[in-house]
Amino acid sequence: DIQMTQSPSTLSASVGDRVTITCRASQSINSWLAWYQQRPGKAPKLLIHKISNLENGVPSRFSGSGSGTEFTLTISSLQPDDFATYYCQQYSSYSPYTFGQGTKLEIK
Amino acid sequence: EVQLVESGGGLVQPGESLRLSCAASGLTFSAYWMAWVRQAPGKRPQWVASIKQDGSERHYVASVEGRFTISRDNARNSLYLQMNSLRAEDTAVYYCARAGLQDQLLCHIWGQGTLVTVSS
Repeated sequence: DIQMTQSPSTLSASVGDRVTITCRASQSINSWLAWYQQRPGKAPKLLIHKISNLENGVPSRFSGSGSGTEFTLTISSLQPDDFATYYCQQYSSYSPYTFGQGTKLEIK
Repeated sequence: EVQLVESGGGLVQPGESLRLSCAASGLTFSAYWMAWVRQAPGKRPQWVASIKQDGSERHYVASVEGRFTISRDNARNSLYLQMNSLRAEDTAVYYCARAGLQDQLLCHIWGQGTLVTVSS
């Protein structure tokens, strides 16, 4: 099974900050990496797929990069709406651990 | 606008059964893989099951294999999850998700979820 590990688990930042979240896969997943945003009490929302492709309507301050086993999500200038929990997901193969454990982005 | 609306959740005792439904609208339902993803309180989402466009291929996470059955009715634009022999560890919000044309696990669109609680 492929395991996905995110860091940090919690991130405190201020509006306007640039932040980066890292996701590591236990083995190569090629480019099959996605990022989701989840607000409290809501379903996850797909932000980015195939490492760096933004879903329609996702602001350009979100970007993704990486390859193989290490990937990053960057938010260039935090907005109030961005404080949420972020999950990476590998979709290269079936596994009980397709999602990372999450990074909670908090207001400093 | 694409909408996925789950129903059928509730409180059940261990060993009992429950059937979840997901009504889809605003999309060509039969064109997409569909999936169920669950999320226990305070935990990461966990993929549960996926089904191919014509129902000919189904995949399950090992922990539900043999207990859960995913199915679909393309004529009714509906997805189902039959859950038998429920356990306390199945307690979660269950989301219906529209996957891709070929990306079986990439969940582009999610419903609002339905809560399943398994407790005596």
